[in-house]
Amino acid sequence: DTAVSQTPKYLVTQMGNDKSIKCEQNLGHDTMYWYKQDSKKFLKIMFSYNNKELIINETVPNRFSPKSPDKAHLNLHINSLELGDSAVYFCASSQPSGTGGSNEKLFFGSGTQLSVL
Amino acid sequence: AQSVAQPEDQVNVAEGNPLTVKCTYSVSGNPYLFWYVQYPNRGLQFLLKYITGDNLVKGSYGFEAEFNKSQTSFHLKKPSALVSDSALYFCAVRVSGFQKLVFGTGTRLLVSP
Repeated sequence: DTAVSQTPKYLVTQMGNDKSIKCEQNLGHDTMYWYKQDSKKFLKIMFSYNNKELIINETVPNRFSPKSPDKAHLNLHINSLELGDSAVYFCASSQPSGTGGSNEKLFFGSGTQLSVL
Repeated sequence: AQSVAQPEDQVNVAEGNPLTVKCTYSVSGNPYLFWYVQYPNRGLQFLLKYITGDNLVKGSYGFEAEFNKSQTSFHLKKPSALVSDSALYFCAVRVSGFQKLVFGTGTRLLVSP
């Protein structure tokens, strides 16, 4: 009964390809995120959506396009993959402050390891 | 801009000994401070947070952290380390009014038997 689930767990692909990573949360949270963790384990936020609306876009190349069909899902599509895109991508969710929850506590998925060859 | 620094890439401690993982922060407003732990091939898990109130906060798995405003620090501590505590630990900060959580670079904790 996974709270935040991402698929696939591993993604190996060639440069120039287009790929998608899916994320779903069953916690009833309003806010979802994508984080990128590089080979040195540095973790950086990419996007945040609150109730399907984009609220954070951290100067990510426009080859990366998040899509939130509903508040339980936040997918990440990447066009024209580059070698530098190789990383682990984490989806996370939280409940905004003032709604009985706290967006300080993030729940993370187990990550998608993307390898671009 | 808000930021956190974790000055140690790795901390080594023997099982049963106390452990400290250091974190300092830099923000222009009131900080909300957090510790997360990452086990191999897993996502991050929340350990504890400081929002306001008592400077010593207690969290999961026997961990605690002390907020020190004058030293702008939020060090993670545990009185007696376990081998199973070996993992990657991240400090994070959020400024009141902002949605974004900024993470430190992580500290690997290695507890030897």
